Order: sequence, then structure tokens, then C-alpha cells
Amino acid sequence: QQPVQSPQAVILREGEDAVINCSSSKALYSVHWYRQKHGEAPVFLMILLKGGEQKGHEKISASFNEKKQQSSLYLTASQLSYSGTYFCGTGGGSEKLVFGKGTKLTVNP
Amino acid sequence: DSGVTQTPKHLITATGQRVTLRCSPRSGDLSVYWYQQSLDQGLQFLIQYYNGEERAKGNILERFSAQQFPDLHSELNLSSLELGDSALYFCASSVYGSTDTQYFGPGTRLTVL
Repeated sequence: QQPVQSPQAVILREGEDAVINCSSSKALYSVHWYRQKHGEAPVFLMILLKGGEQKGHEKISASFNEKKQQSSLYLTASQLSYSGTYFCGTGGGSEKLVFGKGTKLTVNP
Repeated sequence: DSGVTQTPKHLITATGQRVTLRCSPRSGDLSVYWYQQSLDQGLQFLIQYYNGEERAKGNILERFSAQQFPDLHSELNLSSLELGDSALYFCASSVYGSTDTQYFGPGTRLTVL
């Protein structure tokens, strides 16, 4: 099943913080976060794996609550470059990765 | 640049036609994934290949088929095209399976007239 992301959209001023949530009705093995700018390819942000392992390469943090089947992406001190649509993908292992519908983030000066 | 290449970048065709989209994964990646993204829609997983074999299947129509060749490049074949097939088609690759980071190609924008 497709994970549910919230909020659907958020507008920030530069320097403000934001949290994007992703929840699933299925037990999660992994959660993947991507950012996509309009007309471009999704870009990897972070993977969170069951058991606590995290893999990422940007200054973005995330949490993974296995019991609640939820993940949250934390964007602090947002920059203009953070604007885009954020997708979470759930699954992993032998299962396909299923992406949510996305959260559109707009950062204004 | 993710290292994943896709051709062509744009494709305009008519209903009922058949097209082939091509993807070359990053060097060393064994898995290739195909996704469809319609206007204002999320990424819909179509199919995954691992080292030449089909690994996972998503919401792929029977009119669509894919394969991965010995050199690991992949092709997505779309036939009997309908207006609703107009979308961005992304290919992604990863080292092994879907718990690995997936690197997306720039996409092929398909327009069916």
C-alpha cells in the first residue's frame, strides 16, 4: 500500500524549520526519502533501515519509528534550495519500493 | 549527475504506436527500476530487474514490457499507446536491491497525441 505523507504542502520563509511525515499501514523494513525539483529527477536524501541504520549525505535528519510504522524528515534552517517535492518510499528487501504522493515544500526569501 | 542515463529525453508519438525507452545504469549497479510519473502524481513503480532477471513487478500494464540485457542496460517497451500513457518515465539503478540507494536518471518525457 502507498504510504501517506503529511502535510501535502508547506510554505516556509528562509531559516524556518519543517517536518514532513510518512506513515504506512504495513510493517516497514526501510524508508527512503527523495527530493524532486520540477521537471528534474528525484534526488536521494536518506535511507532509514529497520534496526536503526541510516544512510544519507545531506544535512537533513530523519526518524524512523518501527512500532508506529512512521518516519519523519526534519528540515532545519531551511534554505531556498530546499524547495521541491519530497517523497518517501517504503518497503525494501524483497519488496518493491512504494512512494507516497509527495509533500510540496516552498521556501520563500 | 547521477550516472544513470536515459534516452531519448523527449518522445512524441501517436496513439496506437509502440516506443522503446532505454536506460543505462550507473557503473557497478546490478538493479534497474522503472517508474512512471504522471502530471502532479507521485512515482508509480513499474518493474525491477536484477542482473538480467525480473525481481519485482508493480502496476505495469500488459501493454508494457521491459528487459535487462547482459551489459545491464534496460529497455522499457510501451505498445498500443493511449493518451493516458503520457508521462515522465524514470529509470533508477542501485547496487543490489531496493534497500540500497536508488539513483534516478533524468527521465524520458513521453507525449502521446
